[in-house]
Amino acid sequence: KNEVEQSPQNLTAQEGEFITINCSYSVGISALHWLQQHPGGGIVSLFMLSSGKKKHGRLIATINIQEKHSSLHITASHPRDSAVYICAPGEGGGADGLTFGKGTHLIIQP
Amino acid sequence: DGGITQSPKYLFRKEGQNVTLSCEQNLNHDAMYWYRQDPGQGLRLIYYSQIVNDFQKGDIAEGYSVSREKKESFPLTVTSAQKNPTAFYLCASSMFPSGANVLTFGAGSRLTVL
Repeated sequence: KNEVEQSPQNLTAQEGEFITINCSYSVGISALHWLQQHPGGGIVSLFMLSSGKKKHGRLIATINIQEKHSSLHITASHPRDSAVYICAPGEGGGADGLTFGKGTHLIIQP
Repeated sequence: DGGITQSPKYLFRKEGQNVTLSCEQNLNHDAMYWYRQDPGQGLRLIYYSQIVNDFQKGDIAEGYSVSREKKESFPLTVTSAQKNPTAFYLCASSMFPSGANVLTFGAGSRLTVL
C-alpha cells in the first residue's frame, strides 16, 4: 500500500507569494496526479505527470521518481488559488490504483 | 460542454433507508469511479467500472452497490448495510479503462444520515 504524505497540511500566504506544496510517497509509481478541490467540493485535475516538470499558467508541477517526491508550485499567488490541493500517486493501471493524499489547505490573503 | 453531472447535491437519509446517487457523463469515457471523502482523509475508492455491464469493488465497497447498464451512467446505491454513510461522494471518469490518464470529477453529492 502506498503511503502518501503531503506538506504542509495548512498554508496561509499573502497575495503574490511563491507557494510550494510537497508530496512524498512510499511505493514506485507510473504517474502522479495533482488535483484542486474548491470550497464547494468539486475537484479539478491540474496535472498528471510521470517524469520531469509540467507547467500550466502560474502552476508548475515537478516529480522525482527516484526520490518518490513531487512538488506543486504556484507563482504570483492570488486569492482565487485558495483551495485544497491533493496529490495522488498511481502504482500502475488506471485510476483504480491511485492513493490520495489528505490534501493541503491553501489560503491566499489579499 | 462535456462533463459529469451528479445528483442530488445534498441528500438526507433516515437510518435503514437505501439511497441512490446519480452520476451521468457525456464525455464518452470508458471508465467511471465512485469515491468517498471524509474530513481529514484522502479520497477512497468505492467501486469502479471499466466497461459497460462490468464493475469492480474498490477499497471500501461494503454497504454499497452499483450498476453500469449504459456507458454514460454509473449510479451508486448506499444501502442500509453501510454503517457510517454520512460523507461526501464523488464520481469521476477517465477516457481509457487502463493506464495513466486524466480524471474528470463531478461536483459531488453530500449525504447526511439523520
